[in-house]
Amino acid sequence: DIQMTQSPSTLSASVGDRVTITCRASQSISRWLAWYQQVAGKAPKLLIYDASNLESGVPSRFSGSGSGTEFTLTISSLQPDDFATYYCQQYNGYFTFGPGTKVDIK
Amino acid sequence: QVQLQESGPGLVKPSETLSLTCTVSGGSISNYYWSWIRQPPGKGLEWVGYMYYSGNTNYNPSLKSRVTISVDTSKNQFSLKLSSVTAADTAVYYCARHKGPSWFPNFQHWGQGSLVTVSS
Repeated sequence: DIQMTQSPSTLSASVGDRVTITCRASQSISRWLAWYQQVAGKAPKLLIYDASNLESGVPSRFSGSGSGTEFTLTISSLQPDDFATYYCQQYNGYFTFGPGTKVDIK
Repeated sequence: QVQLQESGPGLVKPSETLSLTCTVSGGSISNYYWSWIRQPPGKGLEWVGYMYYSGNTNYNPSLKSRVTISVDTSKNQFSLKLSSVTAADTAVYYCARHKGPSWFPNFQHWGQGSLVTVSS
């Protein structure tokens, strides 16, 4: 089974900050990595797929990078709507999500 | 815009079978992959399984012996059955459509979620 880890688990930041979240896979997953944003009480929302492709309608302040076992999600300038929990998700025959990174207000 | 809506009992007794249906509107169930994903209260996301509209399925190995996902294309619905449930199966269950059409390993459209509690 492929295990996913995320760091940090919690991140405190201010509006306008640049934020980076890291996701690591226990073995290579090529670029089969997606990122989701989940606001409390709501369903997750797809942000990035195939490691770096921005989903249609998602603001360009979100970007993704990486391949193999290490991936990053960057928010270039944090906005009030961005305070949420972020999950990475891999596919290598089966799907696994990371444990999540909560971005809260500093 | 495609919309998904989960429906089913909110309370299931231990050892019984959990049954949920996802109704798809605003688009056809054909030519896409569809998944069930669950989230225990206050915890992270767990993929349960997926199916293609033709009926092909793939399940999470940790749940495979208890899961069945099926499709009713005439009703534009797909369903989840999870047998022999325990308290550990208490979760919000989401249905989701993969980005597509054809194969994309990520979840583009989600239902609002349905909380299922396992308790006697």
